[in-house]
Amino acid sequence: NAGVTQTPKFRILKIGQSMTLQCTQDMNHNYMYWYRQDPGMGLKLIYYSVGAGITDKGEVPNGYNVSRSTTEDFPLRLELAAPSQTSVYFCASSYPGQGLSGNTIYFGEGSWLTVV
Amino acid sequence: GQQVMQIPQYQHVQEGEDFTTYCNSSTTLSNIQWYKQRPGGHPVFLIQLVKSGEVKKQKRLTFQFGEAKKNSSLHITATQTTDVGTYFCAGLYQTGANNLFFGTGTRLTVIP
Repeated sequence: NAGVTQTPKFRILKIGQSMTLQCTQDMNHNYMYWYRQDPGMGLKLIYYSVGAGITDKGEVPNGYNVSRSTTEDFPLRLELAAPSQTSVYFCASSYPGQGLSGNTIYFGEGSWLTVV
Repeated sequence: GQQVMQIPQYQHVQEGEDFTTYCNSSTTLSNIQWYKQRPGGHPVFLIQLVKSGEVKKQKRLTFQFGEAKKNSSLHITATQTTDVGTYFCAGLYQTGANNLFFGTGTRLTVIP
């Protein structure tokens, strides 16, 4: 299994540009997440999904959109990039159950995004 | 709002010394998880604590969950250079919820 795979690994965007961070997992996990990690900080949840066709906002959803058309894929869309969105983005997934209770979160390797 | 505080932010230790990082929440947690992130890497799950007063060990790592389920600690005995990285706690406030609240992490540097 490849686990959680996200692309691109690095990207530089100009202010106002749009882009999509791709995420796919091959573990048949129902739960998927997008986190952002600012320098020296912990992770903050942007959006999450408990299954195909279902998405919900996390702590910091503004400026982002997601979709979940399949179990495997959970892309994150930035519509109008702003410098405040410069961060490292982690996609993650977990096995279904009682939410996160008892379930390990598996993280992708991260996408470093700079908005200039 | 719900927030998990973690201290210290940084810790430099000589190889062989012990290391401890602490997490605190103002409200009761359902459970707490610990992750390790190597420099330039992604968080990797270490362990989950669920029960009040629970203590779990993984080789040189000892994890504790407070009696009130509001605090937790990770203690590393006799640190090695392979322990370098940032250690995050992440708290779940409600069983069945879908958001882990991450602490800001403790960055451990081990001096050989």
